[in-house]
Amino acid sequence: DAKTTQPNSMESNEEEPVHLPCNHSTISGTDYIHWYRQLPSQGPEYVIHGLTSNVNNRMASLAIAEDRKSSTLILHRATLRDAAVYYCILRDVGNAGGTSYGKLTFGQGTILTVHP
Amino acid sequence: DAGITQSPRHKVTETGTPVTLRCHQTENHRYMYWYRQDPGHGLRLIHYSYGVKDTDKGEVSDGYSVSRSKTEDFLLTLESATSSQTSVYFCAISESGRMNTEAFFGQGTRLTVV
Repeated sequence: DAKTTQPNSMESNEEEPVHLPCNHSTISGTDYIHWYRQLPSQGPEYVIHGLTSNVNNRMASLAIAEDRKSSTLILHRATLRDAAVYYCILRDVGNAGGTSYGKLTFGQGTILTVHP
Repeated sequence: DAGITQSPRHKVTETGTPVTLRCHQTENHRYMYWYRQDPGHGLRLIHYSYGVKDTDKGEVSDGYSVSRSKTEDFLLTLESATSSQTSVYFCAISESGRMNTEAFFGQGTRLTVV
């Protein structure tokens, strides 16, 4: 499985932009880059995903390097509610008798602290 | 929010007893997953299902079994609970197994085996 590397922790101030980096140098041509976050005492929450082009949604933006070996999750204005563990994941399609099951393999993630 | 309910939310059980955790969804999604989360290990896949009565093992399946008799329910059973199975268990659902679809997670079940 292709792996991702993220910083263990990052800090930001409220209402400032946050750029969360992720390296995935062994990414394959068909791997999608997914980001999830996990707030304290909750289950992971989907944030965004992309393949090659930059993506935007109501929660964040995803910037993908041209060679796809790295990506950056951008929170445009951090709030206290954004304090969470952020996971960068390459969605892997395993096969069981020919049936893909879309396994999500989680790493350690980045702990984001947001200061008031 | 995706309609996923895990029950119970908290449970304390004794070593050697069987335990069943339930995941119920109202989204009619085909794929369902069970993960466990432990400090220092992140989330690890235990078992998954790609349809009614279609299940398979994940990376940490020893000591666990699953069943899916209806689309909406995915049960995780610890056949004989051990202290090493003390963990937080998360259920997830996904409409398909394709790489461009997202997964939705439940709130988790905190299981303590004493």
